[in-house]
Amino acid sequence: QQQVKQSPQSLIVQKGGISIINCAYENTAFDYFPWYQQFPGKGPALLIAIRPDVSEKKEGRFTISFNKSAKQFSLHIMDSQPGDSATYFCAASPWAAGNKLTFGGGTRVLVKP
Amino acid sequence: GAVVSQHPSWVICKSGTSVKIECRSLDFQATTMFWYRQFPKQSLMLMATSNEGSKATYEQGVEKDKFLINHASLTLSTLTVTSAHPEDSSFYICSASRTGRVYEQYFGPGTRLTVT
Repeated sequence: QQQVKQSPQSLIVQKGGISIINCAYENTAFDYFPWYQQFPGKGPALLIAIRPDVSEKKEGRFTISFNKSAKQFSLHIMDSQPGDSATYFCAASPWAAGNKLTFGGGTRVLVKP
Repeated sequence: GAVVSQHPSWVICKSGTSVKIECRSLDFQATTMFWYRQFPKQSLMLMATSNEGSKATYEQGVEKDKFLINHASLTLSTLTVTSAHPEDSSFYICSASRTGRVYEQYFGPGTRLTVT
């Protein structure tokens, strides 16, 4: 059972455009929602994360929007650059020690120059 | 800060042999370490969770006798793939949560295992 559904599977955006990736979760115990960026052959790198007490968090060109009632959250990449071309994973976990992350299926983003 | 390393970065072994992968937190103490497996163009699949000095907790469907995990210290965890077979070929990634900020996981660069 996939508890975190991520869409789209792939995305092509022009340089300077906005990349939007959406995730939906089912488990109401989830209380921590990070986004990871992964380049081919590398491990995922933590980009930005949010907890449900806020509806939006921004760090540089990356923004997370969170809708608790809809159990959805999204990543917006503003002013997308070719260097942003990577696979992005959303994830979710309970806010607890020894938390286990449940990952979405991933979105491959290609930014065309 | 929060750097996690893995060694080796890639390894080729013959079927039937065992291979050990190390995961180290370089600049923090890791309360918990996690081991994942990732197939090409797929998401990360959690294999097991380990806490220092305790037995690892394996996810359903993961053979604990095949994937031996040892978390000997607050900065080192090892994954040993025993009697490896070609179907064990994959990208293995560890992550670590640091003491005091257990909700954040920092990932290592991964180890590419090829079993011939």
